[in-house]
Amino acid sequence: GQSLEQPSEVTAVEGAIVQINCTYQTSGFYGLSWYQQHDGGAPTFLSYNGLDGLEETGRFSSFLSRSDSYGYLLLQELQMKDSASYFCAVSRLSGNTGKLIFGQGTTLQVKP
Amino acid sequence: EAGVTQFPSHSVIEKGQTVTLRCDPISGHDNLYWYRRVMGKEIKFLLHFVKESKQDESGMPNNRFLAERTGGTYSTLKVQPAELEDSGVYFCASSRRAGDTDTQYFGPGTRLTVL
Repeated sequence: GQSLEQPSEVTAVEGAIVQINCTYQTSGFYGLSWYQQHDGGAPTFLSYNGLDGLEETGRFSSFLSRSDSYGYLLLQELQMKDSASYFCAVSRLSGNTGKLIFGQGTTLQVKP
Repeated sequence: EAGVTQFPSHSVIEKGQTVTLRCDPISGHDNLYWYRRVMGKEIKFLLHFVKESKQDESGMPNNRFLAERTGGTYSTLKVQPAELEDSGVYFCASSRRAGDTDTQYFGPGTRLTVL
């Protein structure tokens, strides 16, 4: 089967750093993406890792270890607007389809 | 560049009725995906179009769901007849090409409630 696990909730204070972990068990793994969703709106792409290592985009970084089937999203200098749901998603490239398999999402609450 | 749009934003129907959801992908994007999130669960893949062809429909729950993408532009997802368990948020996403680093851009979703 295929599954992704991430924590259901994380709470942190403004200005802090938070790490959201994601472990996965899938066949045909191609890459790991992260999406942000505010209040049930459109999931917004944050980051993608196709190779092992760290990808940095401003305050957000994402890491992947294919050998450990593990990745994380790191959010630095947290702001109140970062309160949202964060989803990790695996890309399975099979038969030329790039469908995403999502985790259940992590609700991040940023407090003053 | 306009993003992915979906219509309607909300739909409330009774069990047994028919509902049609529409998705307009980003212009020039050949790939169009439908996903669904049922309350409290993860976002799940339904199907994938490349232009007007169905590339992968392995996520479609049953034959009450019919997706089309005539002309390779917008897509519709029809549920007929709707059942209570079909309630959820239906997302559409598009990408320029399938595979590796090609980002999927999501629409705001259609929230479907079946009473």
